[in-house]
Amino acid sequence: KAGVTQTPRYLIKTRGQQVTLSCSPISGHRSVSWYQQTPGQGLQFLFEYFSETQRNKGNFPGRFSGRQFSNSRSEMNVSTLELGDSALYLCASSLGVFPSTDTQYFGPGTRLTVL
Amino acid sequence: ILNVEQSPQSLHVQEGDSTNFTCSFPSSNFYALHWYRWETAKSPEALFVMTLNGDEKKKGRISATLNTKEGYSYLYIKGSQPEDSATYLCAPSNDYKLSFGAGTTVTVRA
Repeated sequence: KAGVTQTPRYLIKTRGQQVTLSCSPISGHRSVSWYQQTPGQGLQFLFEYFSETQRNKGNFPGRFSGRQFSNSRSEMNVSTLELGDSALYLCASSLGVFPSTDTQYFGPGTRLTVL
Repeated sequence: ILNVEQSPQSLHVQEGDSTNFTCSFPSSNFYALHWYRWETAKSPEALFVMTLNGDEKKKGRISATLNTKEGYSYLYIKGSQPEDSATYLCAPSNDYKLSFGAGTTVTVRA
């Protein structure tokens, strides 16, 4: 079974631009979560989608948004990029049936650099 | 957002030696605790999901225990091997999200 895939793997943008990252979950998984990791920080939760609905959102500004499509693929968008948005963005998929006990399977991440 | 602490932040262990480290989390409103192993240049890999007080899980040479009443979990590596070198993350879960600690980075020296 194919794992979680993320595209692109690496991205360089300049301040003020916007960016869209994509995540394809494991087949059959309906929940997709997004996390951000910056140097010195642990993985910070961004948001979670299940069946095209956002069920939970982390403490990030409104510049961070996401969506999920009917095939469970998800995208996250960051508008008006700031230098501090440089990070590794990970998505994880799970069945989503038992939100707290489901194992989340992570993709390889997208490394975003903002210049 | 849950306050999750992992200690130590890093440790070095000689090949063949055993080691353990701690994850502390709020004991109130506990649902489950997840452990992940994250090797450099790879994706975080799920190790365990633990839910019950006193729970013990084992996967090969790695095992974990859980105390939900006092809010901590131990992860043990028995007979460490170089391939055990990684960052080990714990994350209590509730409300569809995982709240990760900063991790314990284990380096196994041959």
